[in-house]
Amino acid sequence: TAGITQAPTSQILAAGRSMTLRCTQDMRHNAMYWYRQDLGLGLRLIHYSNTAGTTGKGEVPDGYSVSRANTDDFPLTLASAVPSQTSVYFCASSAEGHGNQPQHFGDGTRLSIL
Amino acid sequence: DQQVKQNSPSLSVQEGRISILNCDYTNSMFDYFLWYKKYPAEGPTFLISISSIKDKNEDGRFTVFLNKSAKHLSLHIVPSQPGDSAVYFCAASALYNNNDMRFGAGTRLTVKP
Repeated sequence: TAGITQAPTSQILAAGRSMTLRCTQDMRHNAMYWYRQDLGLGLRLIHYSNTAGTTGKGEVPDGYSVSRANTDDFPLTLASAVPSQTSVYFCASSAEGHGNQPQHFGDGTRLSIL
Repeated sequence: DQQVKQNSPSLSVQEGRISILNCDYTNSMFDYFLWYKKYPAEGPTFLISISSIKDKNEDGRFTVFLNKSAKHLSLHIVPSQPGDSAVYFCAASALYNNNDMRFGAGTRLTVKP
C-alpha cells in the first residue's frame, strides 16, 4: 500500500524560482496537511485541507499556497522561493480533520534554496 | 513560541533497559497528545496517543503517561530494543481547533546492543 507519495524526493532551487511539491494519497482520507521540519523546531504546519475544495492556513503559511481540487492530491507551491524556505517538507493525511486522529506521513521532500 | 517542548535532544540507553522520553506543553487547551517515531529518510509514523481524560495508555512495550497539572507527558519503552533507535516527536492538539497540532523538536533515542 503506497499511502502518501511525495515528489520530488529532493530538489535544489535557485532563489526567486517557483516550485510545486506534489503529494498524493490513496487512503481516501478527507484531511491533508503540509509541514516543514527544521532542526530544533520540530514540524510546523504550513497549510491544511479538511476536505476537497477547502484549505486553511497553519502556523507558518507565508510564502506558500495550496490547492485541493480532489481528495487524493494536495500540491504545495512556492511562488518565489527564498533561502529561509530551505527545509524538509512533509505531507500528511488523516481520515478526518480532528485533533485526535493520527496523521499518516509521506517520506518528505528535501528542498534547498540557493 | 514553542508550545510543545522536548528538552532532551538525545538519549542513549542499553538494550533491555527502560527508555523514558519527556515532553512538556504550555497550552492548557491541548487535550490530545500523540507520539510519533521517525527513522532517517522516512516520514514520522504514529506510535501511541493519550486523551486528557486519561493519565496512562499502554500498547505493548510502549506506555504514555500524562500529568495534566504539570503539563507533562512521558513515553516509556520497556524493554528497549536496537530497532527502537529513532527520533521521537511529541505532539499535542486541541479538539476544538483540529488543525493546529503542535510538535516538539524531537528526541533522538539510541539503543545500544
